[in-house]
Amino acid sequence: EADIYQTPRYLVIGTGKKITLECSQTMGHDKMYWYQQDPGMELHLIHYSYGVNSTEKGDLSSESTVSRIRTEHFPLTLESARPSHTSQYLCASSEWRQSSGNTIYFGEGSWLTVV
Amino acid sequence: GESVGLHLPTLSVQEGDNSIINCAYSNSASDYFIWYKQESGKGPQFIIDIRSNMDKRQGQRVTVLLNKTVKHLSLQIAATQPGDSAVYFCAENFGDGNKLVFGAGTILRVKS
Repeated sequence: EADIYQTPRYLVIGTGKKITLECSQTMGHDKMYWYQQDPGMELHLIHYSYGVNSTEKGDLSSESTVSRIRTEHFPLTLESARPSHTSQYLCASSEWRQSSGNTIYFGEGSWLTVV
Repeated sequence: GESVGLHLPTLSVQEGDNSIINCAYSNSASDYFIWYKQESGKGPQFIIDIRSNMDKRQGQRVTVLLNKTVKHLSLQIAATQPGDSAVYFCAENFGDGNKLVFGAGTILRVKS
């Protein structure tokens, strides 16, 4: 069972507002990820981190930014939200193990609507 | 917002029948594969995994088959139930294990 938490779960905000989506995991995993997913569509990796002070851009370009100051915390920020940012944002974490590989565990997701 | 990417294919099955969900992966060097299930409004959940040195692995009501020759992965669900309705994603891992590459996903709809 994964212990990874996202807040808020649902959010409606106005255009131009700044928003931070919180993600925390209690498993001590070094690697963390943010995926973006529209309903009925693919998962797209937008950010990932190998550990503290490490952040990398994912496969899909995103106007959001991330930070990794603590192992357990990987927040995602949109400085000025636009309607095109309306989507579901999924946070995940993983730890490589020789026996089980790189299994990623997901949070429940944050549904963002920008009006 | 503007949707990015392609719409997912749908598989419809009758309750009680067996389901087979297919996935083509991209990298012949991939050494580890995972199937995820994503129910509506939730994050993906781990179902079953398989390493590249195996061609079959069984779980509870699920079986994963790996064909490395054609780079194909399948998930078989026995006696499909309404609770199995979800989106199913395959994922492959290669290289240094820092991230998984996800397939496009398949929507499974179970008819009662």
